[in-house]
Amino acid sequence: SQQGEEDPQALSIQEGENATMNCSYKTSINNLQWYRQNSGRGLVHLILIRSNEREKHSGRLRVTLDTSKKSSSLLITASRAADTASYFCATDVRNSGAGSYQLTFGKGTKLSVIP
Amino acid sequence: GAGVSQTPSNKVTEKGKYVELRCDPISGHTALYWYRQSLGQGPEFLIYFQGTGAADDSGLPNDRFFAVRPEGSVSTLKIQRTERGDSAVYLCASSLRGTSRYNEQFFGPGTRLTVL
Repeated sequence: SQQGEEDPQALSIQEGENATMNCSYKTSINNLQWYRQNSGRGLVHLILIRSNEREKHSGRLRVTLDTSKKSSSLLITASRAADTASYFCATDVRNSGAGSYQLTFGKGTKLSVIP
Repeated sequence: GAGVSQTPSNKVTEKGKYVELRCDPISGHTALYWYRQSLGQGPEFLIYFQGTGAADDSGLPNDRFFAVRPEGSVSTLKIQRTERGDSAVYLCASSLRGTSRYNEQFFGPGTRLTVL
């Protein structure tokens, strides 16, 4: 089952504009991660925000986390055509029986940046 | 250093056949994960290895699916009696340690399995 839900499902913007994607989740988390996927293949890790953090920046990326609302947002500023991809949030939930941390992904937001 | 590699990149098989998908994790990573991604969906967890042992196989959909990691490095996902519903991209990921609450997983390019 999938824990996170991204919103919107698809987003189309002009190059240079900002893109905002949202993610909601259901259970308590240790951290939340954002990944990018091109052409339905391998995922690239973008940023990790811990449950005790509220905001984090990495280059043109800004992630916020609101644990009271169980939601996160990913902002990409000054978008480029190369940012066209699907973006997924993933929550890192502990499996106490296995002593491990599983990632559970949402369905993703498909971002298209038009040159 | 090489990233996670997966072979084959594409596999087409007929219903009822047996397939094996291979994953080479990043050298030194003790944790290895398999995920399955259906069209339009996010990846779904299948199984997690810590070293040679399957520490968590709760995501395997049924007993037709099995995975091994005999020497704690390369892993093989095995699917018996394939069904059309098994068609998906199978992703492998590795991380330095699976028990860290802040572990970053590095993904391979995936194997696209098509069952005719």
